[in-house]
Formats: sequence, structure tokens, C-alpha cells
Amino acid sequence: EPEVTQTPSHQVTQMGQEVILRCVPISNHLYFYWYRQILGQKVEFLVSFYNNEISEKSEIFDDQFSVERPDGSNFTLKIRSTKLEDSAMYFCASSEQGARSNQPQHFGDGTRLSIL
Amino acid sequence: AQSVTQPDIHITVSEGASLELRCNYSYGATPYLFWYVQSPGQGLQLLLKYFSGDTLVQGIKGFEAEFKRSQSSFNLRKPSVHWSDAAEYFCAVGGGADGLTFGKGTHLIIQP
Repeated sequence: EPEVTQTPSHQVTQMGQEVILRCVPISNHLYFYWYRQILGQKVEFLVSFYNNEISEKSEIFDDQFSVERPDGSNFTLKIRSTKLEDSAMYFCASSEQGARSNQPQHFGDGTRLSIL
Repeated sequence: AQSVTQPDIHITVSEGASLELRCNYSYGATPYLFWYVQSPGQGLQLLLKYFSGDTLVQGIKGFEAEFKRSQSSFNLRKPSVHWSDAAEYFCAVGGGADGLTFGKGTHLIIQP
């Protein structure tokens, strides 16, 4: 069964450094998402992406964050200047249609980001 | 705004016993409802979903959930749990926005 893949599985970065998290969504999916889960807390929506532009973003997704689909397969999340509070598990998800359709979102295994 | 409440942070069940995990949602229209499971160190796996129609939905691994509009609930059930069911279970609601809104999760512990 096709799946969403994320790399790396664990990223350790010094505070203030830039980090790029990578995702390969399921190949026929058109909608892409990033979520984050701070340790012990709920999964929170960050951003959705469709047709090469941001569709929606949450309050968490401030100017430090950006997303990109650099080629036909990858979907990336960049954090420009990481802060300690960015330490979390970051999940990528994709779906065939938008969240307002009856197509579910499929999640990757996540990237654990640790900021030192 | 949509929201999800999972009132039980931890639940302990004996292997072979039945299971019910509670989920209550708040949403203005007919919601899309989901249950995801997260095993330690793993991602979120979709167990089942409700969009419309039959209010009792079947999922993978022997799980089912029932949508009750009058109670704003979407409880997850399994008639007989296995040790491998130990995990974190998340209820989520969608349909009003791109992002899913998740509950805080219920940690399921299986006793031998």
C-alpha cells in the first residue's frame, strides 16, 4: 500500500539554525499538510498546500516557517531560525482531495526535531 | 470552531476484554470524523472514518465506531483487545477547514 515517507526520522539542530524537513507524499495525492506534536500534547495543524501554494495555515505557522514543493515528488517544511519550542514531532500528510471532501489524510511516520 | 474532547487520558484493559474509547466533538455542521492510532515511535495510522450514511463504521484491526449526532459522540469500540492494540488513540474532526482537529489522545494499556 502506498505511504507517505518522511526524512530524516530524527533531526538534531542547534537553536538559531535553519532546518528542512522532507516528505514524499503518496504519488496521486494533490493536497499536502504539515502537523506537529509537541511531546505529550495533541497533534496540531500547521499548514495545507495545494496547487503549489498554501491553502490554509494556523496561528503556529508564522514567518519562521515556509513550505515548498521543489519538484514533482517532495514536499518540504523549512524553519528558518529554530527555537527551543520548535522541538516536536512533525508529521506530513497527504490526501487525494481536500479536507472538505470524503478523502482521508494519510500520515507519515514523522520527523522528531530536537533543538539544542 | 471545531474541537474534540477525549475525556480519558489513560485506559487499562485486560487482554481479551472489550474496549470503548470515548470521543466528543463540537462542530457546526455534519462533521467528518476519524480515529487514528499511534504506536510508540510510529506515525498516525487511520483506523476508520465517518463521512455520511451508516452511523456504525467498520475499520481495520477489528475496530468499529458509532456516530451519534444527538450526543456529539464518535466512540471507538473493539469486542476483544489484543496486546498489540496497546497504543495512543486519537479522535479527529474535519470538514470545516483543511486541517484536522485532534483530541489529546487516549493511551491504551493492555494487561495480560
